[in-house]
Amino acid sequence: DAKTTQPNSMESNEEEPVHLPCNHSTISGTDYIHWYRQLPSQGPEYVIHGLTSNVNNRMASLAIAEDRKSSTLILHRATLRDAAVYYCILRELKTSYDKVIFGPGTSLSVIP
Amino acid sequence: DTEVTQTPKHLVMGMTNKKSLKCEQHMGHRAMYWYKQKAKKPPELMFVYSYEKLSINESVPSRFSPECPNSSLLNLHLHALQPEDSALYLCASSQQTGRRGGNTIYFGEGSWLTVV
Repeated sequence: DAKTTQPNSMESNEEEPVHLPCNHSTISGTDYIHWYRQLPSQGPEYVIHGLTSNVNNRMASLAIAEDRKSSTLILHRATLRDAAVYYCILRELKTSYDKVIFGPGTSLSVIP
Repeated sequence: DTEVTQTPKHLVMGMTNKKSLKCEQHMGHRAMYWYKQKAKKPPELMFVYSYEKLSINESVPSRFSPECPNSSLLNLHLHALQPEDSALYLCASSQQTGRRGGNTIYFGEGSWLTVV
């Protein structure tokens, strides 16, 4: 399985943009890049995903490097509610099984 | 309805007890998952069901016994657990289509298990 690496922790000021990096140098051509986050005492929740092109949704933007070996989750204006652990996960395009493995993730702190 | 519902939210059980964790989804998803999460660690995959059949068992001890009675329900039967099994148990589900890699996984809020 392709692996991802993320910084253990990051800090951001409230209302400022946050760029959360993820390296996935062994990504295959058919791996999707997914981001999930886990707020304290809750289950993980979906944030965004992409394959090759940059993606935007109401929660965040995903910037994918041209060689796909890295990606960046962008929160445009951090709020206190965005303090969470952010997980970058690779998922195969087509698979006979769905082995979704979490790495350690990045713990984001937001300073008021 | 984009919810995965887990019950109970909290469970305390003795090492000789038998209990079950339950998970339900009504999104028509045919893949369902159990994860275990210890404090300050990422979720660890335990089991995956695909179309009500067990497709992945990540070498989980037999004191954990999963069951998928139908496409909406997933149970985790617990027997003779150890204190180190105390953790948050998360259920999740996703669609099973040809382009699985692009499918969102929906998680429940988890069941907090304490083994005494």
